[in-house]
Amino acid sequence: AQRVTQPEKLLSVFKGAPVELKCNYSYSGSPELFWYVQYSRQRLQLLLRHISRESIKGFTADLNKGETSFHLKKPFAQEEDSAMYYCALSRSGYSTLTFGKGTMLLVSP
Amino acid sequence: GAGVSQSPSNKVTEKGKDVELRCDPISGHTALYWYRQSLGQGLEFLIYFQGNSAPDKSGLPSDRFSAERTGGSVSTLTIQRTQQEDSAVYLCASSLSDSSSYEQYFGPGTRLTVT
Repeated sequence: AQRVTQPEKLLSVFKGAPVELKCNYSYSGSPELFWYVQYSRQRLQLLLRHISRESIKGFTADLNKGETSFHLKKPFAQEEDSAMYYCALSRSGYSTLTFGKGTMLLVSP
Repeated sequence: GAGVSQSPSNKVTEKGKDVELRCDPISGHTALYWYRQSLGQGLEFLIYFQGNSAPDKSGLPSDRFSAERTGGSVSTLTIQRTQQEDSAVYLCASSLSDSSSYEQYFGPGTRLTVT
């Protein structure tokens, strides 16, 4: 069975510092990887997906199949980045998502 | 346009009672998903509907859980004989189709508390 691991429950950084939220997965096939974000009192929403290879709000994530990782990075954190971040995986040919347990990012001024 | 809506937003029930949670997907979205968000377990997939196909029930934790989707639109998740471990936020999501290429749009959730 597939599994997504986010080792950090909480990541606290200062404004302007680099941020890396870790995500590792286990799946024998070719997965699709996503990052979802939930800001305070808002709905869960898609941040980015690996197939798009895009940068959203300054965040990027690269799929490393050798290390089975999909870490989320931003060079300079902003206070408005404070939120709960979930890494998620969908199996090849399926759309249902398997989520990690999430990492709370707190960016202090 | 309107996003995914869920009702009620909060539900408190006594152990052993049945509850129904409702989801209104975005109009035109053929795929509908239910997830559960609980402390310690994170977000878990429960059940998935796509058009007129048989639902994927592989995530339902027990036979006390069931769901229907009427007319390819509104969905109801029913939990029978609720237990305290059923306390969680139940999230509904919809997407244009069942391909993972289509973004899943989430509702605000129903917070269920079983006392």
